[in-house]
Amino acid sequence: KAGVTQTPRYLIKTRGQQVTLSCSPISGHRSVSWYQQTPGQGLQFLFEYFSETQRNKGNFPGRFSGRQFSNSRSEMNVSTLELGDSALYLCASSFGQTSYEQYFGPGTRLTVT
Amino acid sequence: SQKIEQNSEALNIQEGKTATLTCNYTNYSPAYLQWYRQDPGRGPVFLLLIRENEKEKRKERLKVTFDTTLKQSLFHITASQPADSATYLCALGGASGGSYIPTFGRGTSLIVHP
Repeated sequence: KAGVTQTPRYLIKTRGQQVTLSCSPISGHRSVSWYQQTPGQGLQFLFEYFSETQRNKGNFPGRFSGRQFSNSRSEMNVSTLELGDSALYLCASSFGQTSYEQYFGPGTRLTVT
Repeated sequence: SQKIEQNSEALNIQEGKTATLTCNYTNYSPAYLQWYRQDPGRGPVFLLLIRENEKEKRKERLKVTFDTTLKQSLFHITASQPADSATYLCALGGASGGSYIPTFGRGTSLIVHP
């Protein structure tokens, strides 16, 4: 079974621009969560989607948004990029409503200059 | 607020020895605790989950203990190998509104020397 895939793997953007990251979960998984990982803050939860509905949201500004499609694929968008948004963005999928085990993708490395 | 503490200093051990990593938490009553492995530039990989009513869990060379009184989990790798070198993250969570969102510690780096 194919794992979680994320595209693109690497991205360089300029301050003020916006970016969209994509995540394809493991087949059959309905929950998709997004995390931001930085050396200073560790792994920080952004939001979680289940059956196209956002179920939970972390403590990030409204510039960070996401959505999930009917095939469980998910996208996250960051508008008006800031230097501090440079990070590894990780997507994780899990099977059901009680998403104990999370399966992470390889991440998208975003650099904002 | 919830706090998860993992040793920020790298743990250096010799091949063949048992590595023991610690995860302490405060202001939290998790329903379960997980351990993940993360290699540089890659996403975390799920290793083990232990529930609040379980004291110990094993999987091959891995063993996890969970002491809800001490608010601590210990993660052991027996007969360690250089390939075990990675950062190990603990994550705590509990059902909230029907959903489970784990909170991750910052991780401890393990270096196994041949």
